[in-house]
Amino acid sequence: AQKVTQAQTEISVVEKEDVTLDCVYETRDTTYYLFWYKQPPSGELVFLIRRNSFDEQNEISGRYSWNFQKSTSSFNFTITASQVVDSAVYFCALRDDKIIFGKGTRLHILP
Amino acid sequence: DSGVTQTPKHLITATGQRVTLRCSPRSGDLSVYWYQQSLDQGLQFLIQYYNGEERAKGNILERFSAQQFPDLHSELNLSSLELGDSALYFCASSVSSREGYGYTFGSGTRLTVV
Repeated sequence: AQKVTQAQTEISVVEKEDVTLDCVYETRDTTYYLFWYKQPPSGELVFLIRRNSFDEQNEISGRYSWNFQKSTSSFNFTITASQVVDSAVYFCALRDDKIIFGKGTRLHILP
Repeated sequence: DSGVTQTPKHLITATGQRVTLRCSPRSGDLSVYWYQQSLDQGLQFLIQYYNGEERAKGNILERFSAQQFPDLHSELNLSSLELGDSALYFCASSVSSREGYGYTFGSGTRLTVV
């Protein structure tokens, strides 16, 4: 069965520190898609990134970067030089016929 | 604005009542998904429709039902409401039911059952 585990329930860091959010997934499919979503305090879900299982290149978008490692079934998310506006709940997700979400990591960036 | 419209944004109702949540997908999207987000259960998939037909079912209670209409908007009906049904209900849409497509989420309907 498909499963997404975000072991870090809550993380607090001081502004400008780097922080990595962990995501481990389980699937028997050889073709699958992984996602990260952000849920700020306002409540909406914001799409951040999609990665398919054949593309193991890491991706960087500004202060955000993602490390996909099939060998360890992990898709970790790093925020560099964190800012208070990064405070949110971050969800990792896996798609087969529907998207399955992890339970999320609540990130607090302290000024 | 994500392009996915959910109404109402907030709903307060009493136990035992019935409510209907509405979702208009992004223009061109044929698939609609409903999710329930509660404090203890996280984001739980409820049901998916594709071009008017039910495509996948998740942890949806028998008291809940949904449909997608010819104009592709969808409604989620919740009946015999219980306190535990209080949650944020999200609708999402995608252009296809195929695996590679991500979802665009609406801003959610916050349901409070009192």
